[in-house]
Amino acid sequence: SQTIHQWPATLVQPVGSPLSLECTVEGTSNPNLYWYRQAAGRGLQLLFYSVGIGQISSEVPQNLSASRPQDRQFILSSKKLLLSDSGFYLCAWSGGTNTGELFFGEGSRLTVL
Amino acid sequence: AQSVTQPDIHITVSEGASLELRCNYSYGATPYLFWYVQSPGQGLQLLLKYFSGDTLVQGIKGFEAEFKRSQSSFNLRKPSVHWSDAAEYFCAGGGGADGLTFGKGTHLIIQP
Repeated sequence: SQTIHQWPATLVQPVGSPLSLECTVEGTSNPNLYWYRQAAGRGLQLLFYSVGIGQISSEVPQNLSASRPQDRQFILSSKKLLLSDSGFYLCAWSGGTNTGELFFGEGSRLTVL
Repeated sequence: AQSVTQPDIHITVSEGASLELRCNYSYGATPYLFWYVQSPGQGLQLLLKYFSGDTLVQGIKGFEAEFKRSQSSFNLRKPSVHWSDAAEYFCAGGGGADGLTFGKGTHLIIQP
């Protein structure tokens, strides 16, 4: 069966520090991968998605970047965190059926102080 | 632009009572529609999905949803809620490789 893992689960970082959140999917190949951010009262905002290694699409301009160095690995990064980067980050994957159903990881809580 | 709207930010229901959470969508064509549930500090779990065919779909945990094209709605229902149903519920639409569009969520509170 397929599983998705995110880490770290919780992160407290000072303003201006770098960020790296990692997401790995197991049990499937060539998944579509997604990073969403969830802020209180604002639902889920799509940040990045990837349909293959090295292919990254950005949905909103921001202080963050994403990379996909391997087929089942998706990384969210920042060189210098802002206070506004605080939030709950969710990684998700979908298969090749093109029905759009997403499977989510457990999330990473980022607090920028 | 495609959008999903959940008009109710909070809903309070007594345990054992029926539940209906509203969702409206705006798409050029019939999208794939989903309901997800999120417990505090957790990821999202899929409750049910609609792609085509029968407009009444059954999901996990006793939930169902009805797709109504004339009203652009996809409301979630449950005949009798349990205290464990307290959570955040998200309606979503889409179907392509560019992910799903989510509503802002409805926070469900269960009164004893």
